Amino acid sequence: QQQVKQSPQSLIVQKGGISIINCAYENTAFDYFPWYQQFPGKGPALLIAIRPDVSEKKEGRFTISFNKSAKQFSLHIMDSQPGDSATYFCAASLSSGSARQLTFGSGTQLTVLP
Amino acid sequence: DVKVTQSSRYLVKRTGEKVFLECVQDMDHENMFWYRQDPGLGLRLIYFSYDVKMKEKGDIPEGYSVSREKKERFSLILESASTNQTSMYLCASSSTRLAGGADTQYFGPGTRLTVL
Repeated sequence: QQQVKQSPQSLIVQKGGISIINCAYENTAFDYFPWYQQFPGKGPALLIAIRPDVSEKKEGRFTISFNKSAKQFSLHIMDSQPGDSATYFCAASLSSGSARQLTFGSGTQLTVLP
Repeated sequence: DVKVTQSSRYLVKRTGEKVFLECVQDMDHENMFWYRQDPGLGLRLIYFSYDVKMKEKGDIPEGYSVSREKKERFSLILESASTNQTSMYLCASSSTRLAGGADTQYFGPGTRLTVL
């Protein structure tokens, strides 16, 4: 059962445009929502993360919008650049007795055209 | 900088072979994870370990086992490799002691395993 649904699967944006990737989750116990960025040949790396007590978090050109009632969150990349071309994964996690596990979305391959 | 290294970038094995994938982290993290990454399916957790000699099953443990004899090393074992285990395998580590429990996971570069 996929607990985090991500869309779109792929996205092509012109340089300078806004890239938007959406995720929806089912488990209301999730309390931490990170986004990971993966370049070809590399492992994913944390890009930005949010907790459900805030509705938005911004770091440079990257913004997470969070809608707790709708159980949805999204990544906005402003002024998209060719260097942003990568695969983006949303994730959700909850604190367990041992380690915090991440449940990942299926990924979005972003291509920013020059 | 956290460094997570994986023993091989590419690996080709035959059906039925026993396969070992090794992962080493240098940041004294207590948590380590093994994922497989497949197109359209994202990253799926196979096993994780929160301490030496401790392990817990993830979402897709069937056909895999793990070993953690030392804190810095976490091994994934395919007892009898099958073609449906052809995939990208990613190792990650994290620490619950740091960053207010946010548990940022740091990933290795991955091992692309092909089972013929």
